[in-house]
Amino acid sequence: QQQVKQSPQSLIVQKGGISIINCAYENTAFDYFPWYQQFPGKGPALLIAIRPDVSEKKEGRFTISFNKSAKQFSLHIMDSQPGDSATYFCAASGTSGTYKYIFGTGTRLKVLA
Amino acid sequence: SQTIHQWPATLVQPVGSPLSLECTVEGTSNPNLYWYRQAAGRGLQLLFYSVGIGQISSEVPQNLSASRPQDRQFILSSKKLLLSDSGFYLCAWATSGIYEQYFGPGTRLTVT
Repeated sequence: QQQVKQSPQSLIVQKGGISIINCAYENTAFDYFPWYQQFPGKGPALLIAIRPDVSEKKEGRFTISFNKSAKQFSLHIMDSQPGDSATYFCAASGTSGTYKYIFGTGTRLKVLA
Repeated sequence: SQTIHQWPATLVQPVGSPLSLECTVEGTSNPNLYWYRQAAGRGLQLLFYSVGIGQISSEVPQNLSASRPQDRQFILSSKKLLLSDSGFYLCAWATSGIYEQYFGPGTRLTVT
């Protein structure tokens, strides 16, 4: 129940295309769902996050879609650029008092020029 | 603004040697602090978290330990390193009561 399942493991997209990464969770107590972007050798950087009271959140080219009934959420990268090539992690949190994250296993995105 | 530091950036240690990794946060007070390990090409595994000085919770039983001697300092230690301790160690902080976690630059540890 504490797992967050992320897919696909890797993704290749043409420049200008849409990149879509999906995550699924089981624990209905989760109430915060962030996405992180990590470049090789660097720490992950918070990209965008959503709470379950909204179905979509957009920041620039990045959009989170959230389906509470299906217990799924996804990251959409519009107009993907070679600079977006990185590993993306979803996470879920909701354990009271500690704000611990459960991370997905990551998606390695490569955007072809 | 807040800044998180980790050192050293890279470390090569022989099996059986001790370990001390340090993480410090600037620009905030009483943060939640977290230690993660990332194996090559893998996800992030939470090792320890702390909600205050001297308050450490362990997530995974292993030969690592953590301490928080000061409000904004978090230390990861081991008395005797194993080969399996190799990885990328990340420290993160969050404002108490807030979900958003911010990661440091990481320490690449290779145990030989």
